[in-house]
Amino acid sequence: EDQVTQSPEALRLQEGESSSLNCSYTVSGLRGLFWYRQDPGKGPEFLFTLYSAGEEKEKERLKATLTKKESFLHITAPKPEDSATYLCAVRITGNQFYFGTGTSLTVIP
Amino acid sequence: DTEVTQTPKHLVMGMTNKKSLKCEQHMGHRAMYWYKQKAKKPPELMFVYSYEKLSINESVPSRFSPECPNSSLLNLHLHALQPEDSALYLCASSPLENYGYTFGSGTRLTVV
Repeated sequence: EDQVTQSPEALRLQEGESSSLNCSYTVSGLRGLFWYRQDPGKGPEFLFTLYSAGEEKEKERLKATLTKKESFLHITAPKPEDSATYLCAVRITGNQFYFGTGTSLTVIP
Repeated sequence: DTEVTQTPKHLVMGMTNKKSLKCEQHMGHRAMYWYKQKAKKPPELMFVYSYEKLSINESVPSRFSPECPNSSLLNLHLHALQPEDSALYLCASSPLENYGYTFGSGTRLTVV
């Protein structure tokens, strides 16, 4: 059965304290893994797409990496404005995504 | 134009009402989606339209009726909803292959 699992469920960091979020997946026919950021009451905002193991993408304080079983979203020296829920999603054969349950990140000043 | 626009942003409706949610995009995307999201949960897929044809219906109750009048517009018609249908309804679009979605900001629906 296709599954996407994110951990931890919630994460509290001090400003400047780097950490990583995990997205583990067991799917057949992976066509891409996507990271989104979602602020309360808003739609998810696209961050990264990763297609193959070993691929890395960076944007400001965020870096996403991909292996054959999981993806990590590394946050370097986070700021309070990085507080949000981070969702990963996998696209499988066909035209639909499976979303993980998300990691709620709080960065404390 | 790189946006998906959803209207209205907020909607309160009674259980006997009929209302519609609207979604519009002008990015030339040929796939459009409706998702439902409850608080502190990930988005759940409801419907997928590809080239204006319904391609996926995730066993959604018939009180939700999607419509895709053209390649830029997607509607969700609501009738006889239940309080448990209260949620954030998200529209998204994408090119058909190997791209992420662009989401709208959602419609916050409350059924009273």
